[in-house]
Amino acid sequence: EDQVTQSPEALRLQEGESSSLNCSYTVSGLRGLFWYRQDPGKGPEFLFTLYSAGEEKEKERLKATLTKKESFLHITAPKPEDSATYLCAAATLNRDDKIIFGKGTRLHILP
Amino acid sequence: ETGVTQTPRHLVMGMTNKKSLKCEQHLGHNAMYWYKQSAKKPLELMFVYNFKEQTENNSVPSRFSPECPNSSHLFLHLHTLQPEDSALYLCASSQGLATTYEQYFGPGTRLTVT
Repeated sequence: EDQVTQSPEALRLQEGESSSLNCSYTVSGLRGLFWYRQDPGKGPEFLFTLYSAGEEKEKERLKATLTKKESFLHITAPKPEDSATYLCAAATLNRDDKIIFGKGTRLHILP
Repeated sequence: ETGVTQTPRHLVMGMTNKKSLKCEQHLGHNAMYWYKQSAKKPLELMFVYNFKEQTENNSVPSRFSPECPNSSHLFLHLHTLQPEDSALYLCASSQGLATTYEQYFGPGTRLTVT
């Protein structure tokens, strides 16, 4: 069964304390791996798409990486405004194309 | 208006009511989606429309009825809902299907069924 698992469920960091969020996926074929950010009371906001193992993308303090089994969202020297829920989603590459979301990681950066 | 808008932002309805959620996208996209977001659960894809044609219905109960009159507007008609239907309902759009293109989400409608 296709599934996406994110860990940890929640993470509290001090401002400036770098860390990584994990997204493990089990799909029959991966078309793409998406990362979104969701702030309270808002819809998810697109961050990155990764298509192949070894690919990396960066945006400000965020860097997303992809392997054949998982993706990481690295946060370098985070600031309080980086606090949000981070969602990953795997798009499958088969006859029954679908997109599967993980439950998300709630990130809280303390000033 | 820019991006994806949804109305109303909050809705409280009884189990015997009929109401509709509205979504409009100002991005010129061809695909639109309805998702349900409940606490502690992943986003659940409910319906997909591509070029106004419904291409996916993920076993959603018939008390939820979508309508897509054109590629910019999407409605979700609600009737005889159950308390477990209380959730955040998100609309999204994308240039093409979401398995290839990133989605742009609206702010959601917080639905409470009493």
